[in-house]
Amino acid sequence: KAGVTQTPRYLIKTRGQQVTLSCSPISGHRSVSWYQQTPGQGLQFLFEYFSETQRNKGNFPGRFSGRQFSNSRSEMNVSTLELGDSALYLCASSQMVGGYEQYFGPGTRLTVT
Amino acid sequence: GESVGLHLPTLSVQEGDNSIINCAYSNSASDYFIWYKQESGKGPQFIIDIRSNMDKRQGQRVTVLLNKTVKHLSLQIAATQPGDSAVYFCAENRGETSGSRLTFGEGTQLTVNP
Repeated sequence: KAGVTQTPRYLIKTRGQQVTLSCSPISGHRSVSWYQQTPGQGLQFLFEYFSETQRNKGNFPGRFSGRQFSNSRSEMNVSTLELGDSALYLCASSQMVGGYEQYFGPGTRLTVT
Repeated sequence: GESVGLHLPTLSVQEGDNSIINCAYSNSASDYFIWYKQESGKGPQFIIDIRSNMDKRQGQRVTVLLNKTVKHLSLQIAATQPGDSAVYFCAENRGETSGSRLTFGEGTQLTVNP
């Protein structure tokens, strides 16, 4: 069974631009969560989607948004990029919401210049 | 705020030794815990999980212990190998109301010396 895939793997953007990252969960998994990883803040929860609905949201500004499609694939969008948005963005999938095994993708490395 | 934390940022062991990585959590409502391994340039890799109705769970060369009395979690790796070198994170899930949201500790860098 294929794992979680994320595209693109690397991205360089300029301040003020916007970016869209994509995540395809493991087949059969319906919950997709997004995390931001930085050296200073560690792994922080962004949001979770299940059945095309946002179930939970972390403490990030409104510039960070996401969505989930009927096939469970998910995208996240960051608008008006700031230098501090440079990070590894990780997507995780699980079968259901709650205390279930979550598997991470390789991440998208975003660099904002 | 409440968070899951690790006692040591780094741990160095000799190949073949057993490793113990510790984690303390503060939210008594947490009922599900996961250990992840993250190698450089990769996403976190699921190692083992444990629910709050258990105090021990074993996998292949790994054991997770949960002490709810003192809110402590540990990961034991038997016969540590160079390929085990990575950053290890514990993560907690705080029950149904938090969905699949995981709160991560700061990580322990495990270095295995040949």
